[in-house]
Amino acid sequence: QVQLQESGPGLVKPLETLSLTCTVSGDSVSGGSFYWSWIRQSPGKELEWLGHIYYSGSTTYSPSLLSRVTISVDTSKSQFSLNLSSVTAADTAVYYCARLWGRRGFDHWGQGTLVTVSS
Amino acid sequence: QSALTQPPSVSGSPGQSVTISCTGTSSDVGSYNRVSWYQQPPGTAPKLMIYEVSIRPSGVPDRFSGSKSGNTASLTISGLQAEDEAEYYCSSYTSRDTYVFGSGTKVSVL
Repeated sequence: QVQLQESGPGLVKPLETLSLTCTVSGDSVSGGSFYWSWIRQSPGKELEWLGHIYYSGSTTYSPSLLSRVTISVDTSKSQFSLNLSSVTAADTAVYYCARLWGRRGFDHWGQGTLVTVSS
Repeated sequence: QSALTQPPSVSGSPGQSVTISCTGTSSDVGSYNRVSWYQQPPGTAPKLMIYEVSIRPSGVPDRFSGSKSGNTASLTISGLQAEDEAEYYCSSYTSRDTYVFGSGTKVSVL
């Protein structure tokens, strides 16, 4: 049973960097068929895809966040991480990590973690 | 990149059918059979219900079906049940090798 679990601070100050980690169990992030993704949902709003990483380290990011987002992977720990720099209140959201199955869809999700940007 | 367009809400009585539309462009929905649908009850993570336009993952009831015509994809729930009440989102792969989600549709069971 594949499980994903987000971890990281729930409160980040404006202009600082938001950092989250997703730990994957029941599967290996080194599996060739999957991309490891970050998706967020601002309160009461739709889902927003932020980007994903392949086990090789190859990344693809949302054009709207390209200058601020970095995703990395640590295959030895079966983890991947999100860094979002220079955050503002608009970055307050529930952040989900998810497994993208080829190009088919996001078939497994973490439970999500709320990150609030506030001083 | 703009979100795919979905109706804000649809509703139906138990046993009826409802259809949710998801309209994109020729750069996403219209060009790829990489449309997926997600069910999200309040306070929970989304769940994959349909992938590649019309394929149901194991465990998803067959009353959920998907289709696509041109730039618009659709999700139909037949034989609506109380447990189907949730927010539903579509998603599509795009020509920029990125993903875009829909604006979301709240399904209410009357």
